[in-house]
Amino acid sequence: GNSVTQMEGPVTLSEEAFLTINCTYTATGYPSLFWYVQYPGEGLQLLLKATKADDKGSNKGFEATYRKETTSFHLEKGSVQVSDSAVYFCALQPNTGFQKLVFGTGTRLLVSP
Amino acid sequence: SAVISQKPSRDICQRGTSLTIQCQVDSQVTMMFWYRQQPGQSLTLIATANQGSEATYESGFVIDKFPISRPNLTFSTLTVSNMSPEDSSIYLCSGLGGQGGTEAFFGQGTRLTVV
Repeated sequence: GNSVTQMEGPVTLSEEAFLTINCTYTATGYPSLFWYVQYPGEGLQLLLKATKADDKGSNKGFEATYRKETTSFHLEKGSVQVSDSAVYFCALQPNTGFQKLVFGTGTRLLVSP
Repeated sequence: SAVISQKPSRDICQRGTSLTIQCQVDSQVTMMFWYRQQPGQSLTLIATANQGSEATYESGFVIDKFPISRPNLTFSTLTVSNMSPEDSSIYLCSGLGGQGGTEAFFGQGTRLTVV
């Protein structure tokens, strides 16, 4: 079946540090891959996505590259800010049948000044 | 992308009562979903809300506990019935839209506490 595995948190960084949050997936075929962000007290917002192998999604300084060979979609940012503190969810969406999202467990990021 | 307005944003309810959560989308969407997010956990899909017909429930969720309505392509409700403290969670609705109608967007969530 389809599944997503994320690194456990919390991830604690100082402002301007480099961020990596690992995400690997298991799926048949070629799913679309997403990163969602949930700020405290809010719902989920789409951060970035990639729909095919070698695609790079980017938004607000965050990037993730769809790696078919390693079944990964790691989230990176070169310099984090305090305002990036949130929970980040990796997700996949099968490209056939019912297009239900499958979410990872989420990784909490804490950025200190 | 489309915007979902979800309400209430939070509520504190007595056990044994029911709460109905509403989601209004600012444009027509083909598919809507309801999720539960228990404290510190990821999202679990409750059901797919089908327009004009009964919702499709995931394993472990039943219509008697979580009745869902979707009278048109812009509106859906989820009722949490006969609540117990174990139902304390964040409930989120989601729709598919964006490019190709495959991009999921979410309401702001309803934080439910059952006492």
